[in-house]
Amino acid sequence: QVQLQESGPGLVKPSQTLSLTCSVSGGSISSRSYYWNWIRQPAGKGLEWIGRIYISGSTNYNPSFKSRVTISLDTSKNLFSLKLSSVTAADTAVYYCARDPRITIFGVYSGDGMDVWGQGTTVTVS
Amino acid sequence: QSVLTQPPSASGTPGQRVTISCSGSSSNIGSNYVYWYQQLPGTAPKLLIYRSNQRPSGVPDRFSGSKSGTSASLAISGLRSEDEADYYCAAWDDSLSALYVFGTGTKVTVL
Repeated sequence: QVQLQESGPGLVKPSQTLSLTCSVSGGSISSRSYYWNWIRQPAGKGLEWIGRIYISGSTNYNPSFKSRVTISLDTSKNLFSLKLSSVTAADTAVYYCARDPRITIFGVYSGDGMDVWGQGTTVTVS
Repeated sequence: QSVLTQPPSASGTPGQRVTISCSGSSSNIGSNYVYWYQQLPGTAPKLLIYRSNQRPSGVPDRFSGSKSGTSASLAISGLRSEDEADYYCAAWDDSLSALYVFGTGTKVTVL
């Protein structure tokens, strides 16, 4: 079955750019059936959706991250990536990638619940 | 910036029924499906309920979801020790561009 695996530096300095990748195995990231998402969770706190990408290259981002976030796809390597610029200590969190099936609801495309998650990777900004 | 409100905690003894509420607004729960995730300690979240009341394959029928107006609920019947976890509701929010919002989370304790 499909598995997701996050990777990237565990320590990032303030003001620098956090870069993570999510490798997809057991399935193709080029499938037209899924959105690919990033979510984060500060220690002891709740979940926060960062954004998603579709195979067309279309992205949606949480406005809370304003222009700091970029999500991209690399179909040749079957992975997608997260870049978060100008990080501060508030960006310290466990970062998860997740798959979300794409459905149509009353003629509008939408996600259908994040059904596959990576194990998460801890990023500390210090 | 959770816009979906959940009680911080809930508890019950084995075999009991526990219900968790999730309160939102017309731009999220009021106009979109609700999703529920279970997060066991130290693990990634797991999809428990989709489309407000559907269970993915493998999720026990002890878990059920419902939605009414701008609120939703997750019920756990026949509570078991392995149900001790954090539970999050979620929904798409139409107030801006596509925005997926999570609830504040509820810690369920099995007494």
